[in-house]
Amino acid sequence: DAGVIQSPRHEVTEMGQEVTLRCKPISGHDYLFWYRQTMMRGLELLIYFNNNVPIDDSGMPEDRFSAKMPNASFSTLKIQPSEPRDSAVYFCASSSPWEQYFGPGTRLTVT
Amino acid sequence: DAKTTQPPSMDCAEGRAANLPCNHSTISGNEYVYWYRQIHSQGPQYIIHGLKNNETNEMASLIITEDRKSSTLILPHATLRDTAVYYCIVRVGDKAAGNKLTFGGGTRVLVKP
Repeated sequence: DAGVIQSPRHEVTEMGQEVTLRCKPISGHDYLFWYRQTMMRGLELLIYFNNNVPIDDSGMPEDRFSAKMPNASFSTLKIQPSEPRDSAVYFCASSSPWEQYFGPGTRLTVT
Repeated sequence: DAKTTQPPSMDCAEGRAANLPCNHSTISGNEYVYWYRQIHSQGPQYIIHGLKNNETNEMASLIITEDRKSSTLILPHATLRDTAVYYCIVRVGDKAAGNKLTFGGGTRVLVKP
């Protein structure tokens, strides 16, 4: 298996632009998670899905952030409009009952 | 989920065992102890988990005290590639509760030649 796939690996955008991050989970996993990592706040859970349904989005920082999972093999995290404080590494992870498998992350820089 | 306390950093010598402590004094009976690590610029990687018995796999051993208030992750023969941040996480093991993980600050381990 190729593992969790994220794209793009790096994204540089200007403040105010829309940013879409993509994730393909491991086939057969029924949980999908989006995390954000910064030096100041560490690794934070933003939202997670079970069987394509959002379960807990309490970590989503504000309405500018939205996430979707239209099917079992694809999820997106969208930021609109983006701000410099959104600069971070965004990780997607999918899960078997016990272990979470993380993707390589998307490094987002908002200038 | 119960809170965990880990030392912020530690060094160990290549080839020697690395013992990483974790305190989780408020752990509940249905909470498991998980260990993940994050090598620089990569996503976190699952290492091992346990409830109350000691566990071992190809990566590490997990020793949980009898009262379950603390645990130790043991890397039996540390290599330079084990340099990473190690996270100890406690969470409810019931699958119905979801697999949500809350990451703390972790221990930054530096393996030296």
